[in-house]
Amino acid sequence: EVQLVESGGGLVKPGGSLRLSCAASGFTFNTYTVNWVRQAPGKGLEWVSSISSRGNYIYYADSVKGRFSISRDNAKNSLFLQMTSLRVEDTAVYYCARQTGDDNYFDYWGQGTLITVSS
Amino acid sequence: QSVVTQPPSASGTPGQRVTISCSGSSSNIGSNTVNWYQQLPGTAPKLLIYSNNQRPSGVPDRFSGSKSGTSASLAISGLQSEDEADYYCAAWEDSLSGPVFGGGTKLTVL
Repeated sequence: EVQLVESGGGLVKPGGSLRLSCAASGFTFNTYTVNWVRQAPGKGLEWVSSISSRGNYIYYADSVKGRFSISRDNAKNSLFLQMTSLRVEDTAVYYCARQTGDDNYFDYWGQGTLITVSS
Repeated sequence: QSVVTQPPSASGTPGQRVTISCSGSSSNIGSNTVNWYQQLPGTAPKLLIYSNNQRPSGVPDRFSGSKSGTSASLAISGLQSEDEADYYCAAWEDSLSGPVFGGGTKLTVL
């Protein structure tokens, strides 16, 4: 069974940093591109970042470029999101999602982890 | 404000057929396939339709998708109370190298 389990969420002050993790199981992690998608309270979904299977292709949404850094450890079946210079508007539930198919859809999602940026 | 537009709400009675529209542009829906996600209250999104009109295993055939030009739609026939959820369309955005999501449509079953 494919599972994605996020961790690392919590309360952080504006300007602070946080590192999210996503533990993957039930599939061959090192053959899939994985993503972070976030959802602000009461709002819609926003794609944040993606990293290819070997980590050689990385992309970011403009809203986080230069502040967030995505990485992965294929030996540990894990995905990470290092978030720095956090802003109030980064407050959201952060989901990791597996990307698949030639049409680039997200077929499995984690349960999400909540980041609250507040003073 | 999303570059892909959905109506914020939709509603129907049990057994009815409802459709949810999704409008984009040439750089997203116009040149890439559309996927739909269902988000039940308090849960993570779930893939509902991929590649415009394909259903993952386990998704009832009451759900169907279509695309024409820079627009797409999700149809739900035989509406059931458990279909009450938020529905998001998404398409790859060429300039982003990532997907853009519609703003979401909250479906209410009356």
